[in-house]
Amino acid sequence: SQQGEEDPQALSIQEGENATMNCSYKTSINNLQWYRQNSGRGLVHLILIRSNEREKHSGRLRVTLDTSKKSSSLLITASRAADTASYFCATVSYGNNRLAFGKGNQVVVIP
Amino acid sequence: KAGVTQTPRYLIKTRGQQVTLSCSPISGHRSVSWYQQTPGQGLQFLFEYFSETQRNKGNFPGRFSGRQFSNSRSEMNVSTLELGDSALYLCASSLAVGTGNTEAFFGQGTRLTVV
Repeated sequence: SQQGEEDPQALSIQEGENATMNCSYKTSINNLQWYRQNSGRGLVHLILIRSNEREKHSGRLRVTLDTSKKSSSLLITASRAADTASYFCATVSYGNNRLAFGKGNQVVVIP
Repeated sequence: KAGVTQTPRYLIKTRGQQVTLSCSPISGHRSVSWYQQTPGQGLQFLFEYFSETQRNKGNFPGRFSGRQFSNSRSEMNVSTLELGDSALYLCASSLAVGTGNTEAFFGQGTRLTVV
C-alpha cells in the first residue's frame, strides 16, 4: 500500500528560488528516500535518511525527518531549470527493500 | 559501471496476449524489484527477488509473475493482458535486502501499451 503522501502536489517557481516539498507516512519505517523522475523516465535516487537521523544534506538538497510526526521534507535551494521534474518520497520498512511511494510532486522551475 | 538495463523500452501488445519484460541489474547487485507506474495509481510495488527467490510480493493478480536467474537478471511476465495493464514498468536493483541502508537504482523502464 502507498505510504508516502507528498504535499504540495504541484509547484511552480522561478529559477533561484527555493522549493520545499513535504511527505507524510503512516507506519514505522526503517528509512525514507527521495527520488526524482524526469518526463516519465526512470527514477533517480536523491537522498536516503534513516529513522534515527533528523536531517541530511546533499549538495543543494536538504531533507528532514520527524518520526514523531511521521513526516519528511525536501528542500531544494537555489533551484535551476534542470530541477524541473517529479519528486517522490518512498518509505522502507524493516526487513525488506520494498519502496512504498507517494503520489509525487511536480516541480516546474521557470528560467 | 553499467546501470540497470531494461528491455525492451517500448512495447505495444493486444488484449489477451502475454508479455515478458527483462531487467539486468547493476553488476554485483542481487536484489531486483519491479514497480508499475500509472497516472491513476502512481508507483506500485509488484515484487522483489533476491538470490533467485521471491522475497516480497505486491497486491497484483496472479497474471503478473516474475523470476530471477542465477546471474541476478530478472524477468517479469504478464499474461492475458488487459487495457489497464498499460503502464511504465520499472525495475530497480540494490545491493542487499533488508539492510535498510541501500538505495535503489532504477532502469529507464519499459513503456507497455495494451490496445
